[in-house]
Amino acid sequence: GESVGLHLPTLSVQEGDNSIINCAYSNSASDYFIWYKQESGKGPQFIIDIRSNMDKRQGQRVTVLLNKTVKHLSLQIAATQPGDSAVYFCAENPRSGGTSYGKLTFGQGTILTVHP
Amino acid sequence: DAGVTQSPTHLIKTRGQHVTLRCSPISGHKSVSWYQQVLGQGPQFIFQYYEKEERGRGNFPDRFSARQFPNYSSELNVNALLLGDSALYLCASSLATHTDTQYFGPGTRLTVL
Repeated sequence: GESVGLHLPTLSVQEGDNSIINCAYSNSASDYFIWYKQESGKGPQFIIDIRSNMDKRQGQRVTVLLNKTVKHLSLQIAATQPGDSAVYFCAENPRSGGTSYGKLTFGQGTILTVHP
Repeated sequence: DAGVTQSPTHLIKTRGQHVTLRCSPISGHKSVSWYQQVLGQGPQFIFQYYEKEERGRGNFPDRFSARQFPNYSSELNVNALLLGDSALYLCASSLATHTDTQYFGPGTRLTVL
């Protein structure tokens, strides 16, 4: 069945360090991947996305890498700040024919804690 | 610009009751999706609506239903509530296609006693 999973449920880093959060996916039909950040008591907040025709995409302090060969996705956060502390989810959106289909399949999440 | 809004913020119900949750998408967005997030887990897809039609349904019982209105707002209805329905219910809106970014609202926290 479809699944998106994370290797590490928790990650603790020092302020200023770089953080890497990993994610494995199993649906080879997925062509769109998204990273969300969720703070306590809030809804998921979009961070960055990547389509399957790309290997890398950069945003402000964040980079997403996609390795389709091993079905692996990672989120890199540069110069991590205490405000980055949250749960991070990867999600995949498999294509379903040619129709619009917005079913996101989420991983279990990684808790990122940034120590000052 | 306003983001996705949901109401109510919190809700307490008892077993067997029904509940209606509401969502207003970002202006210009025509697609609304509903997700259930149980504590400690990632969101689980329930429904997607686009142009007032159901375009996708997750693995949820028929007690769950939804609809989308002409102004693209949406309602999620859950009948015969069970204790296991206690969760954060999230609404997400997107422009249209499956590769359009889904933006989430703050959610409705439902507690079933």
